[in-house]
Amino acid sequence: RKEVEQDPGPFNVPEGATVAFNCTYSNSASQSFFWYRQDCRKEPKLLMSVYSSGNEDGRFTAQLNRASQYISLLIRDSKLSDSATYLCVVSRTGKLIFGQGTTLQVKP
Amino acid sequence: NAGVTQTPKFQVLKTGQSMTLQCAQDMNHNSMYWYRQDPGMGLRLIYYSASEGTTDKGEVPNGYNVSRLNKREFSLRLESAAPSQTSVYFCASSYKATNEKLFFGSGTQLSVL
Repeated sequence: RKEVEQDPGPFNVPEGATVAFNCTYSNSASQSFFWYRQDCRKEPKLLMSVYSSGNEDGRFTAQLNRASQYISLLIRDSKLSDSATYLCVVSRTGKLIFGQGTTLQVKP
Repeated sequence: NAGVTQTPKFQVLKTGQSMTLQCAQDMNHNSMYWYRQDPGMGLRLIYYSASEGTTDKGEVPNGYNVSRLNKREFSLRLESAAPSQTSVYFCASSYKATNEKLFFGSGTQLSVL
């Protein structure tokens, strides 16, 4: 079983839709949590950190449930430019462990 | 702003050939990393260098060697390439080893025939 698991999708949604991605991690010693974004054939870039209390950055909301070892990312009012792969990332003993990513395709 | 620069962008090797992937960062970061990305596998850490003068194995180090040449440069060497090493390779850096904000290079697409 992978340490960080994501539904690979693809998620196909119309512009303006709200979409949610989930991620589970297996190691309870995981310390920090992040979402990275990766455009097709490009390098990953940090989208946002995930805090226990939940946090928002514009249209993006991240949630963490330590008890269930579960992380989520909610995107509201999807834009065409949101089309990308979203990587769930967990930090443990200073090392980052990446999920395989969830692909989002936003259609006009 | 160059950030993290890695070369080459594309490479085709025959089984058994050797090559070195180069990586340099101009952000005065202390820590540097090499990842590989395969379909359905996510990014997997090959080797990392927490600071100049140190290197450590990651999740999938077999078949690779690294050199932290100086603070800016961190190279990855394949001594005898195998088809299983066909992948996209990313170099990354961060200010310190426990800083989770990684800056990635643009990647190297490597095919081993």
